[in-house]
Amino acid sequence: DADVTQTPRNRITKTGKRIMLECSQTKGHDRMYWYRQDPGLGLRLIYYSFDVKDINKGEISDGYSVSRQAQAKFSLSLESAIPNQTALYFCATSALDSNQPQHFGDGTRLSIL
Amino acid sequence: SQQGEEDPQALSIQEGENATMNCSYKTSINNLQWYRQNSGRGLVHLILIRSNEREKHSGRLRVTLDTSKKSSSLLITASRAADTASYFCATAPYGGSQGNLIFGKGTKLSVKP
Repeated sequence: DADVTQTPRNRITKTGKRIMLECSQTKGHDRMYWYRQDPGLGLRLIYYSFDVKDINKGEISDGYSVSRQAQAKFSLSLESAIPNQTALYFCATSALDSNQPQHFGDGTRLSIL
Repeated sequence: SQQGEEDPQALSIQEGENATMNCSYKTSINNLQWYRQNSGRGLVHLILIRSNEREKHSGRLRVTLDTSKKSSSLLITASRAADTASYFCATAPYGGSQGNLIFGKGTKLSVKP
C-alpha cells in the first residue's frame, strides 16, 4: 500500500548495533502496528498504538521499543540488535472501527550479522 | 500465539482451476479477514467477514465462515498465474484489543500457466 511507507527497505547490520525502522502513513488512520514475519511463522505483533499517547505491547515486544512521534509516524527500535531479530518487519495502519482492514507497508528486510 | 491455522500449507494448481484454502481458529471472533502477500511485498487485504455473516463474495473470491466449527474457507475461482502468492487468514478476537489481528501461518498458492 503506497499510503504506508517504510524506511529503509533493506538493512544489514551487526550484532549490538542500535537500529531504527520508520513508518509513515498518509491514510489518516489513528491505529498503527509493527509486525515481524519469519518463514513458516506468519506475522507476529510487536507493538501497537491506537493514538499518539497510546502505546501497547504485542505478543513479542522484548528487545524492541517504539515511538509514536505523530499520528502519521510510528518508529520501531532495536536497542541492541541480535541475530535472531533477523526478519521481515511490517508496519500497518487501520481506522478506529474494529471491522476495518489493516493496510500494510512493503516491509523492511533486516539482517543482523 | 497463532490463532489461525491455514490448510493446506502449499497448493499448486493449473490456471483456470479453482483454489480452496481453509482456516481454523481457536477463540470467538469479531471478524475474520483474508490477506494476500506477493513475494517480497506487504500484505494486501482481500475480504473481511463478520462473525454474524456466513458467506461473502468479492469478484472471483468467495469466503465462508462457520463459527460453530471455528473455520473459514477462501475460494478463488478460475485462477490466474497472477494469483500466485501466499494467503493468510487473520482473526479479530472477540473481547480483544479492538482492531488487533492474529495471523495464521499462510497457504502458499502456485498457479501454473
